[in-house]
Amino acid sequence: DTGVSQNPRHKITKRGQNVTFRCDPISEHNRLYWYRQTLGQGPEFLTYFQNEAQLEKSRLLSDRFSAERPKGSFSTLEIQRTEQGDSAMYLCASSLGTATYEQYFGPGTRLTVT
Amino acid sequence: AQSVTQLDSQVPVFEEAPVELRCNYSSSVSVYLFWYVQYPNQGLQLLLKYLSGSTLVESINGFEAEFNKSQTSFHLRKPSVHISDTAEYFCAVSTDQTGANNLFFGTGTRLTVIP
Repeated sequence: DTGVSQNPRHKITKRGQNVTFRCDPISEHNRLYWYRQTLGQGPEFLTYFQNEAQLEKSRLLSDRFSAERPKGSFSTLEIQRTEQGDSAMYLCASSLGTATYEQYFGPGTRLTVT
Repeated sequence: AQSVTQLDSQVPVFEEAPVELRCNYSSSVSVYLFWYVQYPNQGLQLLLKYLSGSTLVESINGFEAEFNKSQTSFHLRKPSVHISDTAEYFCAVSTDQTGANNLFFGTGTRLTVIP
C-alpha cells in the first residue's frame, strides 16, 4: 500500500491557461474524491467517483472543471481557462466504499494562477 | 445541509499540558464524525472517527474525542501534548444523506506546542 499519490505537487500557471492534475488512489479503492482547500479554510468537496462513474458533483465545480476516472483507476482533474480564484490546494482521497467511511488523502497539488 | 464549526483557529499550549480542540456540527440527520490531522507539508491523516457505539473514541497517540449528541459536539482532547503534536487539526462530518458520503470539514485549528 503506497498511499494516494498526486502529480504534480505544485503548478504555477498564467491566467487563461488549462491545467490537468492526476491522482492515483490506493489500489482496490473503488471510491475517489476531489476536494479543494483554500488558505485558512477546510477542504471542500468537489466531486466523487464510484469506480469509473462520476456520481456526484458539487456546485463549486463550474463548467471550466472536468474530472475523469477512466477504467476506475487513476483520475484527472482539468481546469480550463484558469482564473486567479482557482488558486488553491487540490486534494484527492480514496476509500473502499465500505461502512468504515475512512477516506485516505493524497499530499495535494498546489495551484497558483498568476 | 451539514456544517462544522471549529471556534478556535489557533491554540498555543505548553508541552505536557492538556489541550481541548472544540468542534460543533449542525445536521438534520445522523452523522459520522472524524478528526483529521495535517502535519507541515504532509497530507491529511485520519486521527480518529465516530461511526456508532461508544461515544468516546481514542487514537493510538493519546488523543480522544467524545460524541455528544445533545450538544452536537465532538471535541478533541489530549491530557499531555508533545512537540510532535504541532499540526493543523480538522473536524469533519459525513452522512448517509448523499451516496457520496463526502466529508464536510471545519476551518481547522492550528495547534502549536511550546517547549
